[in-house]
Amino acid sequence: DGGITQSPKYLFRKEGQNVTLSCEQNLNHDAMYWYRQDPGQGLRLIYYSQIVNDFQKGDIAEGYSVSREKKESFPLTVTSAQKNPTAFYLCASMGSGTDTQYFGPGTRLTVL
Amino acid sequence: SQQGEEDPQALSIQEGENATMNCSYKTSINNLQWYRQNSGRGLVHLILIRSNEREKHSGRLRVTLDTSKKSSSLLITASRAADTASYFCATASSRAYNTDKLIFGTGTRLQVFP
Repeated sequence: DGGITQSPKYLFRKEGQNVTLSCEQNLNHDAMYWYRQDPGQGLRLIYYSQIVNDFQKGDIAEGYSVSREKKESFPLTVTSAQKNPTAFYLCASMGSGTDTQYFGPGTRLTVL
Repeated sequence: SQQGEEDPQALSIQEGENATMNCSYKTSINNLQWYRQNSGRGLVHLILIRSNEREKHSGRLRVTLDTSKKSSSLLITASRAADTASYFCATASSRAYNTDKLIFGTGTRLQVFP
């Protein structure tokens, strides 16, 4: 899982609550990404950031928000507007001039 | 929308056999990558092949790329039980507006029996 940490590993949330997933990297990478993975499915891009204080929506950004105040950190907030938030969330980073993404271990979010 | 589609969706083999999985994509690419995911874990990068390359090797892995057919294959030779995992292809678009996003396929679940 390289130098990327995600916490917590498991997260339970009641409907109507916002929750923030942590992603930290010590690889000095400029770009960071959040993906959602549903059972038996591939990865879908939620948000990505190529530089501090800048980020772009991915394919399924509705109901999610992010911030990129520090190079090392890219937290994802799952808001109450996300209709089906139960999923496995993966964070990744990539260095400038490279094409390889490094992934964290993931956070499994369950909405009760 | 996901660009990569993998085939087969699931594959079961015995240790020592070879495993081949295929990936098809839709648009022009800069490169194609293969990742591995153990159950409940993050993805690990295996190998990258650029659009001007046709074949690449890394240990027991062999990747081919046919840009005319927009397809790639991953061959794992002499498979081991530890190779049991899901394998995903990912493509980096050649579109100028953004080359830092990867589009992942739906994956092939490989089971290797001892």
